[in-house]
Amino acid sequence: TQLLEQSPQFLSIQEGENLTVYCNSSSVFSSLQWYRQEPGEGPVLLVTVVTGGEVKKLKRLTFQFGDARKDSSLHITAAQPGDTGLYLCAGGSNYKLTFGKGTLLTVNP
Amino acid sequence: KAGVTQTPRYLIKTRGQQVTLSCSPISGHRSVSWYQQTPGQGLQFLFEYFSETQRNKGNFPGRFSGRQFSNSRSEMNVSTLELGDSALYLCASKNANTGELFFGEGSRLTVL
Repeated sequence: TQLLEQSPQFLSIQEGENLTVYCNSSSVFSSLQWYRQEPGEGPVLLVTVVTGGEVKKLKRLTFQFGDARKDSSLHITAAQPGDTGLYLCAGGSNYKLTFGKGTLLTVNP
Repeated sequence: KAGVTQTPRYLIKTRGQQVTLSCSPISGHRSVSWYQQTPGQGLQFLFEYFSETQRNKGNFPGRFSGRQFSNSRSEMNVSTLELGDSALYLCASKNANTGELFFGEGSRLTVL
């Protein structure tokens, strides 16, 4: 069974701070996705990384896939209250995604 | 373009009852997956349907079942409900070209 561990589980920061959250596994994934879920809504896909060592940027968010394709990180620069939410990483096959339990981020104004 | 629609959004049942949840995928999407989300376990894969056939199944007991209709709409059923079945049930449809999953807002089930 492929498992994804996310850390930290909870993170509360002030507006303007930078942060990094991590997603680690002992298994190799062909691709890894990051989602953000806001209260009362379903997860929304932020990015998909496929190649080991790949770095993708989405405005203030930077995603990195580890060289061995077993881990990933999400870095947010100058966090804003609108970044508040549950950040989930997911990896796996075409038919089935394995999700981590997520990092609950709160950005205080 | 309408998103993924799940009904009902909220429901309360008692132990031993059964429940049916519905999911209408984005028009043109033929793959529908179901996930259970709980604070303790996170998002766990239930099953995936494609063209009315179950293509993959997670590690849930047989009380959890599903089906897909010719219009790609899907339903999942949970029989003999237990307290531990209380969760947010999420449905996702897949863009076959990009592989991107689009989630609905979920059906929040409370079992008393």
